[in-house]
Amino acid sequence: SQWGEENLQALSIQEGEDVTMNCSYKTYTTVVQWYRQKSGKGPAQLILIRSNEREKRSGRLRATLDTSSQSSSLSITGTLATDTAVYFCATEGRGSALGRLHFGAGTQLIVIP
Amino acid sequence: DTTVKQNPRYKLARVGKPVNLICSQTMNHDTMYWYQKKPNQAPKLLLFYYDKILNREADTFEKFQSSRPNNSFCSLYIGSAGLEYSAMYLCASSRRDKTYEQYFGPGTRLTVL
Repeated sequence: SQWGEENLQALSIQEGEDVTMNCSYKTYTTVVQWYRQKSGKGPAQLILIRSNEREKRSGRLRATLDTSSQSSSLSITGTLATDTAVYFCATEGRGSALGRLHFGAGTQLIVIP
Repeated sequence: DTTVKQNPRYKLARVGKPVNLICSQTMNHDTMYWYQKKPNQAPKLLLFYYDKILNREADTFEKFQSSRPNNSFCSLYIGSAGLEYSAMYLCASSRRDKTYEQYFGPGTRLTVL
């Protein structure tokens, strides 16, 4: 597997709290993406961070990337009940592996109103 | 419009019977993908098309077939369904030059009995 975690993680927090989800990956990548999948829908890309970036922000989202430790994090500030979803990180291979997204098992985030 | 559609949304199949799932997109994307997702696991790439060139993953090579009659449509075919095929099947599409930016459909939940 591309990723260190094999099993879905679960987090349950109160609305308004901040949360950080982590991923570690095993092989070289130039891009780490975070996807969110809400119940009954397909994954939707939230944020993309490149290997030459250490941090990327988008609204309440903040992604970090540490290529030396091959890890990435996604933080959400001021969570809302509508943030309840499964969050996946994904990397793309290079060369012949272009287009092959490798997903982590994901984090099930439950935000309690 | 960034919609990827999948039909049917739910499919019940008998062991040993064939299954055909359909995906369509109107973004004129030249690349289309099929993923399998089981509960509490990461989405797993099964195969993808670059234009009309089919690329199948080595570990699922013989289990799944696909066709792409035109740029907008792509199907996933299981010749003889087994219990292990029960899963959510996600279709995605992307531009060839942005394969990391994949747009997902809502998925087809296949249950094999």
